[in-house]
Amino acid sequence: DAGVIQSPRHEVTEMGQEVTLRCKPISGHDYLFWYRQTMMRGLELLIYFNNNVPIDDSGMPEDRFSAKMPNASFSTLKIQPSEPRDSAVYFCASIGLVDTEAFFGQGTRLTVV
Amino acid sequence: AQTVTQSQPEMSVQEAETVTLSCTYDTSESNYYLFWYKQPPSRQMILVIRQEAYKQQNATENRFSVNFQKAAKSFSLKISDSQLGDTAMYFCAFMKLTGNQFYFGTGTSLTVIP
Repeated sequence: DAGVIQSPRHEVTEMGQEVTLRCKPISGHDYLFWYRQTMMRGLELLIYFNNNVPIDDSGMPEDRFSAKMPNASFSTLKIQPSEPRDSAVYFCASIGLVDTEAFFGQGTRLTVV
Repeated sequence: AQTVTQSQPEMSVQEAETVTLSCTYDTSESNYYLFWYKQPPSRQMILVIRQEAYKQQNATENRFSVNFQKAAKSFSLKISDSQLGDTAMYFCAFMKLTGNQFYFGTGTSLTVIP
């Protein structure tokens, strides 16, 4: 397996624009997580899914953030409208039912100007 | 709720020396996993070591070992014979067995000095 795949690796966008981040988890993994990494707050859990169903979205900072998982092999994190304070690295990670390790993608560095 | 605290934002160590990174956590769970992840400048998150809470024996992986004190909710990482390639951000993490939620600390930036 190629591991968790995120796209794009880098995204630069203007304030107010919609941004969509994408993630393909490892095949067969039941859990998918979205994290945001900043210098100030470290790695924050935004939302996680179990079998494509959102379980806990309490970490989503505002209504501007939304996440979907339409099927077991794809998830999106959308920010609309984006703001400069959303600039961060966004990670996707997946875990299998019997795994005891989270596998991370390479992250998307988002810059909102 | 689970929290993970890393109280050392930055640390440095001389090459070949030993360094210990601290981590404390808070949980009401009795069974869980604890981890140390390494994030080099490449940004990739790499698992360094893992500890099952129900095991009293401290985990070791080559130059990396942990000191797990369950009652104190402490989970420190010791790096022996530090190498330049150990320079990275290190994250302590906690995983619940029910729901597989992962929680991370804010990280410790480690610099190995030649």
